[in-house]
Amino acid sequence: DVKVTQSSRYLVKRTGEKVFLECVQDMDHENMFWYRQDPGLGLRLIYFSYDVKMKEKGDIPEGYSVSREKKERFSLILESASTNQTSMYLCASSLAGGSNQPQHFGDGTRLSIL
Amino acid sequence: TQLLEQSPQFLSIQEGENLTVYCNSSSVFSSLQWYRQEPGEGPVLLVTVVTGGEVKKLKRLTFQFGDARKDSSLHITAAQPGDTGLYLCAGAWGDSSYKLIFGSGTRLLVRP
Repeated sequence: DVKVTQSSRYLVKRTGEKVFLECVQDMDHENMFWYRQDPGLGLRLIYFSYDVKMKEKGDIPEGYSVSREKKERFSLILESASTNQTSMYLCASSLAGGSNQPQHFGDGTRLSIL
Repeated sequence: TQLLEQSPQFLSIQEGENLTVYCNSSSVFSSLQWYRQEPGEGPVLLVTVVTGGEVKKLKRLTFQFGDARKDSSLHITAAQPGDTGLYLCAGAWGDSSYKLIFGSGTRLLVRP
C-alpha cells in the first residue's frame, strides 16, 4: 500500500512566522500535491509537482511556496503565516499519467495560526 | 473555474436506510473519482468511473457515471454506522491535466 506521511498532525504557529509542512511518500510516485480543506469548500489545490524541482500553481497559491528537491518529499512553505491560513492541509501523491490516476492522501496537518 | 456541486451537503439517517448522493457539473470529465474521508484521516479512493453510463458496485455502494460524463451518483443500500464519513467526488480531465476538481462533499451520519 502507498504510504503518504505528513510530518505533523497538529501545528500551532504565530502570525508572521515562516511555517514548513513536510510530506513524504514511499511509492516512487511522480506527482505530488498540496491541498487545503475548509468546511463547505472541499479540497482546494495550492500547488502540485510532477517531477523533482518542477512545480505548478494550483487554484490558491498566494501566500504559499513549495519545494521538491527529492522525488519522495514535497514541502509546503507559508512565507509569513496569517490567520486566514488556519486550515487542514492535505498532501497527496499519484503516478504519472494525468488526472485519471487516483490520488493517495496523507492524514493531514491541522494548522492553527494565532 | 470549474465547479462540481454535491448534494446534499449533510445527511443523517437511521441504520438500514438507503441513500443517494449526487455530484453534478456543467463540465465533461474524462473520469470521476469518489473518495471517503473519516475523521482525522485523509480521503481514501472508493472507485473511479470512466465510461459514460458506467455502473460500478462495491458491496452495498453503487456508483454511476452519467451518460454525458457530467454527473455521477453514489447509492448506499442498507446503510451501516461504518459508512459514516465525508464523501467527496472529484472530476478529472485525463492525460491533458494533472488536476482533480473536488466537490465540497456530503457529510453522512448513520445512526445505530
